Amino acid sequence: QSALTQPASVSGSPGQSITISCTGTSSDIGGSYYVSWYQQHPGKAPKLMIYDVSNRPSGVSNRFSGSKSGNTASLTISGLQAEDEADYYCSSYTSTSTLYVFGSGTTVTVL
Amino acid sequence: QVQLQESGPGLVKPSETLSLTCAVSGYSISSAYYWGWIRQPPGKGLEWIGTVSHSGTYYKSSLKSRVTISVDTSKNQFSLKLNSVTAADTAVYYCARAVGATPENWYFDLWGRGTLVTVSS
Repeated sequence: QSALTQPASVSGSPGQSITISCTGTSSDIGGSYYVSWYQQHPGKAPKLMIYDVSNRPSGVSNRFSGSKSGNTASLTISGLQAEDEADYYCSSYTSTSTLYVFGSGTTVTVL
Repeated sequence: QVQLQESGPGLVKPSETLSLTCAVSGYSISSAYYWGWIRQPPGKGLEWIGTVSHSGTYYKSSLKSRVTISVDTSKNQFSLKLNSVTAADTAVYYCARAVGATPENWYFDLWGRGTLVTVSS
């Protein structure tokens, strides 16, 4: 079982904004400044979308933004587009013996 | 540009050892960064396996007794060995580059395309 909890699915219409949550504990997200987010299309490798909670790598659309409050990190996609339909995973260091964890994953559907 | 490519057998028998290699092109792995392995069982989420750099090796605690990750700087590649495999180890295995000075600030910025390893007799 993943240490970081995400909703199984989130959907929205084109142009809308959606937010994906990633809930952990004080041992991981709550105690870290370094949450990252990945996008994965079917049959493809994950792609880094956000690092260090809110930073975007070069080439990633500014429609993607990240934030954190307490034990929960969030990824917001604004101006939803058909190409955003994919699975999204959060990840974080954890001070437990596991050391590094991914979230359970969220499937984004564009209606 | 920097590219990572996994290679290895696609079928491994139960109780045997899974061995994969990740060839890195466009960058010398001895220079910097951490290099890691992540897997994804069919239809499931991502699972971090372990990460290696010149300064040390880190493993997921629940896999630690079965996993070895090593670096071959002469071939510019790093490897994963997972012994005593079972059907539960069937997954797509990805190699990836980890950015960050310590595990506390890792993120994986470059990934290989992944390779499916099936454990079956």
